[in-house]
Amino acid sequence: ETGVTQTPRHLVMGMTNKKSLKCEQHLGHNAMYWYKQSAKKPLELMFVYSLEERVENNSVPSRFSPECPNSSHLFLHLHTLQPEDSALYLCASSQNREQFFGPGTRLTVL
Amino acid sequence: RKEVEQDPGPFNVPEGATVAFNCTYSNSASQSFFWYRQDCRKEPKLLMSVYSSGNEDGRFTAQLNRASQYISLLIRDSKLSDSATYLCVVNSVGGFKTIFGAGTRLFVKA
Repeated sequence: ETGVTQTPRHLVMGMTNKKSLKCEQHLGHNAMYWYKQSAKKPLELMFVYSLEERVENNSVPSRFSPECPNSSHLFLHLHTLQPEDSALYLCASSQNREQFFGPGTRLTVL
Repeated sequence: RKEVEQDPGPFNVPEGATVAFNCTYSNSASQSFFWYRQDCRKEPKLLMSVYSSGNEDGRFTAQLNRASQYISLLIRDSKLSDSATYLCVVNSVGGFKTIFGAGTRLFVKA
């Protein structure tokens, strides 16, 4: 089983709601990632944190706000999302090379 | 041109067949290469890293050709459980900019 957990596993929210996705890694890794996977599209890298500093931000709209309080936890704060933001949001962690993924949060925006 | 391109698929093969997937990447400065598999509605899981010298893990063989910017995955003696989407993954220098291919779907039939 993966050492990366994500909560919630499923989330339905309205466009005016504020919610947060949580990721926790138990592998002692030094980097954490957020990805978005929409239907029939490749995984899109959203944010990368290395040693709790953001090192990559791939032109993601400001309605997505990441937070990395320590090397084991990563959050994605969501506000005023659009229906096209409905997707599977995957968290991953790594120690220099291979990334290990959590099970994802399936998000539906109504 | 996409940064990482894979065979379009789907591949439909009988059990016991040998199947090969190809992947090309556009950034010649890319440093790390991987194959992941993703089952329906699940997270991607690392299948194997890819090295210039080629590497093998049981029925799976991966090859990297840096001059042609080409990666391949060979699966021998296909099993029903090999049915999945295979993702080609390329990391840039520094390792944090990760690009996923769109994936190739494999169906292995009895």
